[in-house]
Amino acid sequence: EAGVAQSPRYKIIEKRQSVAFWCNPISGHATLYWYQQILGQGPKLLIQFQNNGVVDDSQLPKDRFSAERLKGVDSTLKIQPAKLEDSAVYLCASSPRFDGLNTEAFFGQGTRLTVV
Amino acid sequence: AQRVTQPEKLLSVFKGAPVELKCNYSYSGSPELFWYVQYSRQRLQLLLRHISRESIKGFTADLNKGETSFHLKKPFAQEEDSAMYYCALKGIGNEKLTFGTGTRLTIIP
Repeated sequence: EAGVAQSPRYKIIEKRQSVAFWCNPISGHATLYWYQQILGQGPKLLIQFQNNGVVDDSQLPKDRFSAERLKGVDSTLKIQPAKLEDSAVYLCASSPRFDGLNTEAFFGQGTRLTVV
Repeated sequence: AQRVTQPEKLLSVFKGAPVELKCNYSYSGSPELFWYVQYSRQRLQLLLRHISRESIKGFTADLNKGETSFHLKKPFAQEEDSAMYYCALKGIGNEKLTFGTGTRLTIIP
């Protein structure tokens, strides 16, 4: 099956600018995750969607970050305005809806953001 | 709240020696535990899951609910095992997937 697609792969912006990342999950996967991975740290969950509804966004800095998953398929993550500390790899992952069986999350290649 | 702790950021092991990557978790309930691996220049991918009780690439992990641990083990390390390893926990019902900080495993030839 096709994997999780993310674009762009790399992005360099100046602080206070805006940026958007796009994710296309595996077809049919109900759950979509956005993670932030700062160099040397583990992935930190920013937001989790179940279809087009938000399940968890407790760690999303809502003053500058926003995400949407229209029609329960593709998703975009936006940062406006960006700060230096937002430099990280942004990972998108998807998994099938839990049906009583163990389900794994499949990850995209990530978008490496550098804020200068 | 769910939390995953990997106490070792770096681990170096000689080829052929046993490997153990530690993982402890905190969760009220019965979680699903996973080990994910990221090889150089590749995406994060699932290595194994506790419910399958399987051995992948010679690695095994046993869920110890009493000690709330899910350590990853391999009896004889190989050079291709060098990678970043992340322990992860998924809450049953909420499906929130939480990662540890990771351990960079380096196999010395």
